[in-house]
Amino acid sequence: NAGVTQTPKFQVLKTGQSMTLQCAQDMNHEYMSWYRQDPGMGLRLIHYSVGAGITDQGEVPNGYNVSRSTTEDFPLRLLSAAPSQTSVYFCASSYSTGRPSYEQYFGPGTRLTVT
Amino acid sequence: KQEVTQIPAALSVPEGENLVLNCSFTDSAIYNLQWFRQDPGKGLTSLLLIQSSQREQTSGRLNASLDKSSGRSTLYIAASQPGDSATYLCAVTGGATNKLIFGTGTLLAVQP
Repeated sequence: NAGVTQTPKFQVLKTGQSMTLQCAQDMNHEYMSWYRQDPGMGLRLIHYSVGAGITDQGEVPNGYNVSRSTTEDFPLRLLSAAPSQTSVYFCASSYSTGRPSYEQYFGPGTRLTVT
Repeated sequence: KQEVTQIPAALSVPEGENLVLNCSFTDSAIYNLQWFRQDPGKGLTSLLLIQSSQREQTSGRLNASLDKSSGRSTLYIAASQPGDSATYLCAVTGGATNKLIFGTGTLLAVQP
Protein backbone atom coordinates (compact mmCIF):
# COMPACT_ATOMS: atom_id res chain seq x y z
CA ASN A 1 0.00 0.00 0.00
CA ALA A 2 1.19 3.49 -0.84
CA GLY A 3 -0.97 4.86 2.00
CA VAL A 4 -1.96 8.52 1.65
CA THR A 5 -0.27 10.34 -1.21
CA GLN A 6 -0.30 14.06 -1.95
CA THR A 7 0.79 16.07 -4.98
CA PRO A 8 2.49 18.40 -5.51
CA LYS A 9 5.06 18.48 -2.70
CA PHE A 10 5.75 22.18 -3.23
CA GLN A 11 3.85 24.93 -5.02
CA VAL A 12 4.25 28.67 -5.45
CA LEU A 13 1.23 30.67 -6.57
CA LYS A 14 0.58 34.31 -7.25
CA THR A 15 -2.32 36.02 -5.51
CA GLY A 16 -5.56 35.34 -7.36
CA GLN A 17 -4.43 32.13 -9.04
CA SER A 18 -6.34 28.91 -8.52
CA MET A 19 -5.03 25.40 -8.10
CA THR A 20 -5.97 21.93 -6.90
CA LEU A 21 -4.06 19.96 -4.29
CA GLN A 22 -4.40 16.26 -4.91
CA CYS A 23 -4.89 13.59 -2.25
CA ALA A 24 -5.35 9.86 -2.79
CA GLN A 25 -5.43 6.81 -0.55
CA ASP A 26 -5.38 3.12 -1.40
CA MET A 27 -6.63 1.74 1.93
CA ASN A 28 -10.35 1.87 1.08
CA HIS A 29 -10.90 4.45 3.83
CA GLU A 30 -14.32 6.08 3.98
CA TYR A 31 -13.18 9.13 5.92
CA MET A 32 -10.82 11.71 4.42
CA SER A 33 -9.92 15.20 5.55
CA TRP A 34 -7.72 18.20 4.88
CA TYR A 35 -5.73 20.12 7.49
CA ARG A 36 -3.49 23.12 7.29
CA GLN A 37 -0.52 23.59 9.60
CA ASP A 38 0.69 27.03 10.50
CA PRO A 39 3.35 28.12 13.03
CA GLY A 40 1.73 28.98 16.34
CA MET A 41 -1.71 27.76 15.16
CA GLY A 42 -1.10 24.04 14.97
CA LEU A 43 -3.15 21.87 12.64
CA ARG A 44 -6.66 23.00 11.76
CA LEU A 45 -9.36 21.12 9.87
CA ILE A 46 -10.41 22.64 6.52
CA HIS A 47 -12.90 20.14 5.06
CA TYR A 48 -13.74 16.50 5.54
CA SER A 49 -15.67 13.70 3.85
CA VAL A 50 -17.31 10.64 5.37
CA GLY A 51 -17.71 8.90 2.01
CA ALA A 52 -18.01 9.39 -1.73
CA GLY A 53 -20.41 12.21 -2.52
CA ILE A 54 -20.46 13.56 1.05
CA THR A 55 -18.38 16.51 2.22
CA ASP A 56 -18.61 19.01 5.05
CA GLN A 57 -16.81 22.05 6.39
CA GLY A 58 -14.27 22.03 9.13
CA GLU A 59 -12.86 24.84 11.20
CA VAL A 60 -11.32 27.01 8.44
CA PRO A 61 -13.17 26.31 5.15
CA ASN A 62 -13.23 29.79 3.60
CA GLY A 63 -11.39 30.00 0.28
CA TYR A 64 -11.35 26.24 -0.25
CA ASN A 65 -13.60 23.80 -2.09
CA VAL A 66 -13.67 20.02 -2.01
CA SER A 67 -15.49 17.21 -3.74
CA ARG A 68 -15.41 13.45 -3.32
CA SER A 69 -16.41 11.57 -6.44
CA THR A 70 -14.54 8.37 -5.56
CA THR A 71 -13.52 6.66 -2.33
CA GLU A 72 -9.84 7.04 -3.23
CA ASP A 73 -9.53 10.73 -4.08
CA PHE A 74 -10.23 13.93 -2.17
CA PRO A 75 -8.88 17.02 -3.98
CA LEU A 76 -8.71 20.43 -2.33
CA ARG A 77 -9.28 23.45 -4.58
CA LEU A 78 -8.06 26.94 -3.86
CA LEU A 79 -10.40 29.23 -5.72
CA SER A 80 -8.42 32.49 -5.66
CA ALA A 81 -5.19 32.15 -3.72
CA ALA A 82 -4.36 34.70 -1.03
CA PRO A 83 -1.12 35.17 0.97
CA SER A 84 -3.04 34.02 4.08
CA GLN A 85 -3.28 30.59 2.46
CA THR A 86 0.49 30.14 2.59
CA SER A 87 0.75 27.01 4.70
CA VAL A 88 1.52 23.32 4.75
CA TYR A 89 -1.49 21.23 3.78
CA PHE A 90 -2.02 17.68 4.98
CA CYS A 91 -4.54 15.12 3.85
CA ALA A 92 -5.61 12.35 6.25
CA SER A 93 -7.79 9.27 6.07
CA SER A 94 -9.27 6.56 8.27
CA TYR A 95 -11.74 3.71 8.04
CA SER A 96 -14.83 5.37 9.43
CA THR A 97 -16.23 7.87 11.82
CA GLY A 98 -17.45 7.29 15.32
CA ARG A 99 -15.26 4.25 15.92
CA PRO A 100 -12.63 4.74 18.62
CA SER A 101 -10.33 2.06 17.23
CA TYR A 102 -9.62 3.68 13.89
CA GLU A 103 -6.30 5.43 13.47
CA GLN A 104 -5.95 8.34 11.12
CA TYR A 105 -3.12 8.31 8.60
CA PHE A 106 -1.53 11.41 7.12
CA GLY A 107 0.04 12.17 3.79
CA PRO A 108 3.49 13.83 3.41
CA GLY A 109 2.04 17.31 2.90
CA THR A 110 2.05 20.05 0.28
CA ARG A 111 3.98 23.24 1.04
CA LEU A 112 2.17 26.14 -0.57
CA THR A 113 3.49 29.68 -0.85
CA VAL A 114 1.26 32.47 -2.15
CA THR A 115 3.07 35.65 -3.18
CA LYS B 1 -14.83 23.73 23.09
CA GLN B 2 -12.12 21.08 23.27
CA GLU B 3 -8.61 22.42 23.84
CA VAL B 4 -5.46 20.33 23.88
CA THR B 5 -2.25 21.46 25.55
CA GLN B 6 1.18 19.87 25.49
CA ILE B 7 3.89 20.48 28.03
CA PRO B 8 6.76 21.08 27.71
CA ALA B 9 6.93 22.91 24.39
CA ALA B 10 10.54 21.82 23.97
CA LEU B 11 12.75 19.27 25.67
CA SER B 12 16.41 18.39 25.31
CA VAL B 13 17.79 15.23 26.89
CA PRO B 14 21.00 13.20 26.62
CA GLU B 15 20.85 9.89 24.82
CA GLY B 16 19.71 6.98 26.96
CA GLU B 17 17.39 8.92 29.24
CA ASN B 18 13.80 7.90 29.83
CA LEU B 19 11.38 10.78 29.28
CA VAL B 20 7.73 11.71 29.55
CA LEU B 21 5.74 13.99 27.30
CA ASN B 22 2.46 15.39 28.59
CA CYS B 23 -0.85 16.09 26.90
CA SER B 24 -3.96 17.51 28.54
CA PHE B 25 -7.45 18.10 27.16
CA THR B 26 -10.38 20.05 28.54
CA ASP B 27 -13.36 17.86 27.52
CA SER B 28 -13.24 14.24 28.70
CA ALA B 29 -15.89 13.14 26.15
CA ILE B 30 -13.37 11.80 23.66
CA TYR B 31 -13.43 8.75 21.37
CA ASN B 32 -9.71 8.27 21.30
CA LEU B 33 -6.35 9.95 21.63
CA GLN B 34 -3.59 9.57 19.10
CA TRP B 35 0.10 10.37 19.42
CA PHE B 36 1.97 11.41 16.27
CA ARG B 37 5.55 12.10 15.41
CA GLN B 38 6.54 14.80 12.90
CA ASP B 39 10.04 15.13 11.53
CA PRO B 40 11.10 18.53 10.11
CA GLY B 41 9.50 19.16 6.74
CA LYS B 42 7.64 15.85 6.83
CA GLY B 43 4.15 14.54 7.44
CA LEU B 44 2.70 13.07 10.60
CA THR B 45 3.44 9.47 11.54
CA SER B 46 0.98 7.76 13.86
CA LEU B 47 2.72 6.27 16.90
CA LEU B 48 -0.05 5.05 19.19
CA LEU B 49 -3.80 5.25 19.47
CA ILE B 50 -5.58 4.84 22.80
CA GLN B 51 -9.30 4.24 22.70
CA SER B 52 -11.42 6.01 25.30
CA SER B 53 -12.04 2.70 27.09
CA GLN B 54 -8.32 1.90 27.37
CA ARG B 55 -5.78 3.04 29.92
CA GLU B 56 -2.57 2.50 27.98
CA GLN B 57 -0.95 1.27 24.79
CA THR B 58 2.60 0.12 24.14
CA SER B 59 4.72 -0.09 21.03
CA GLY B 60 8.37 -0.95 21.42
CA ARG B 61 10.03 1.73 23.58
CA LEU B 62 6.87 3.83 23.60
CA ASN B 63 4.10 3.66 26.17
CA ALA B 64 1.10 5.96 26.13
CA SER B 65 -1.37 6.27 28.98
CA LEU B 66 -4.78 7.86 29.16
CA ASP B 67 -6.70 9.17 32.15
CA LYS B 68 -9.97 10.47 30.74
CA SER B 69 -11.36 11.66 34.06
CA SER B 70 -8.45 14.01 34.62
CA GLY B 71 -8.06 14.89 30.93
CA ARG B 72 -4.46 13.73 30.69
CA SER B 73 -2.27 11.52 28.56
CA THR B 74 1.43 10.83 28.77
CA LEU B 75 3.86 9.43 26.24
CA TYR B 76 6.76 7.61 27.84
CA ILE B 77 9.86 7.04 25.74
CA ALA B 78 12.35 4.59 27.18
CA ALA B 79 16.09 4.70 26.52
CA SER B 80 15.88 7.68 24.18
CA GLN B 81 18.00 7.75 21.00
CA PRO B 82 19.06 10.63 18.71
CA GLY B 83 16.66 9.19 16.10
CA ASP B 84 13.79 10.00 18.46
CA SER B 85 14.40 13.72 17.87
CA ALA B 86 11.22 15.15 16.34
CA THR B 87 8.07 17.02 17.24
CA TYR B 88 5.51 14.92 19.09
CA LEU B 89 1.85 15.81 18.71
CA CYS B 90 -1.15 14.49 20.55
CA ALA B 91 -4.67 14.76 19.18
CA VAL B 92 -8.12 13.77 20.43
CA THR B 93 -11.28 12.92 18.55
CA GLY B 94 -14.85 13.05 19.72
CA GLY B 95 -18.25 12.77 18.13
CA ALA B 96 -19.21 11.80 14.60
CA THR B 97 -16.82 13.95 12.59
CA ASN B 98 -13.54 12.19 13.42
CA LYS B 99 -12.17 15.69 13.70
CA LEU B 100 -8.74 15.64 15.30
CA ILE B 101 -8.06 18.41 17.80
CA PHE B 102 -4.30 18.80 18.01
CA GLY B 103 -2.06 19.99 20.75
CA THR B 104 0.72 22.45 20.02
CA GLY B 105 3.41 19.79 20.12
CA THR B 106 6.60 19.07 22.04
CA LEU B 107 9.89 19.50 20.18
CA LEU B 108 12.23 16.78 21.43
CA ALA B 109 15.99 16.83 20.92
CA VAL B 110 18.00 13.82 22.04
CA GLN B 111 21.68 14.69 22.28
CA PRO B 112 24.22 11.98 21.39
